[in-house]
Amino acid sequence: DTAVSQTPKYLVTQMGNDKSIKCEQNLGHDTMYWYKQDSKKFLKIMFSYNNKELIINETVPNRFSPKSPDKAHLNLHINSLELGDSAVYFCASSQAQPSTDTQYFGPGTRLTVL
Amino acid sequence: AQSVSQHNHHVILSEAASLELGCNYSYGGTVNLFWYVQYPGQHLQLLLKYFSGDPLVKGIKGFEAEFIKSKFSFNLRKPSVQWSDTAEYFCAVRGNNNDMRFGAGTRLTVKP
Repeated sequence: DTAVSQTPKYLVTQMGNDKSIKCEQNLGHDTMYWYKQDSKKFLKIMFSYNNKELIINETVPNRFSPKSPDKAHLNLHINSLELGDSAVYFCASSQAQPSTDTQYFGPGTRLTVL
Repeated sequence: AQSVSQHNHHVILSEAASLELGCNYSYGGTVNLFWYVQYPGQHLQLLLKYFSGDPLVKGIKGFEAEFIKSKFSFNLRKPSVQWSDTAEYFCAVRGNNNDMRFGAGTRLTVKP
C-alpha cells in the first residue's frame, strides 16, 4: 500500500545513455513533483505537474523531460546523461489546494553516471 | 521566489541534549512551512507543518517548531534527543504559487 513509489531504486549507467525513472502515487493527488538531491543533500525542485499540466519548470537542461500519462504517474526521462546528473531523484505528490498541501515523497532513485 | 536558509550544516549532540535547528526564509506573501526528516538510507518524511493558527506546532517523535513571523523563522526543537534521531533535517517553504523550496539540510548526529 505504498503511497508514492519509484522505480528503479538504483540506476547505474554510462555517460551518453538515455534513461527513465518512473513514479506512481496512489493517493489521488492532483500534483506531482520531481526533485534532485545532490551530493551535499540539497533538494532542488525540477518539475511539477498539476492534472497533467506542467506548472513549474525550473532551469534544468532540456535533456530532462517529465512525462505524465495520467495524474497518478509522472515519469522522468533523461537524454544524453552526463556525469553531473549523478544524484538522488525524488518524486513527490500533493493535493493542489493550498490548505492541504503536504508533499509525500517516494523512496528516491539513486542515479550514478559513469 | 522564496528561499530557505538552514544555518547549521552539521550538529553533533549527546543523547538527552536539547536540540534547536534554525530555519529562516525569505518570502513576502503567505507561506506554509514544513520540516522533513531523512533517516539514513530512507526517503523524506514529514515531521510537522504550519499552515495557520497556533504558531507553536507539535509534530511526531516529540519534535516541535515555532513560527515567528517577525523573524521569518521556523526553528525546530526537541527537548531531549535520542540516538535514533540521527538524520538529515530539511526545512521547506511553500508560497502561494505552489512552489516548494527546501533548505540545504542540517545533519544531526546524536552520540549514544
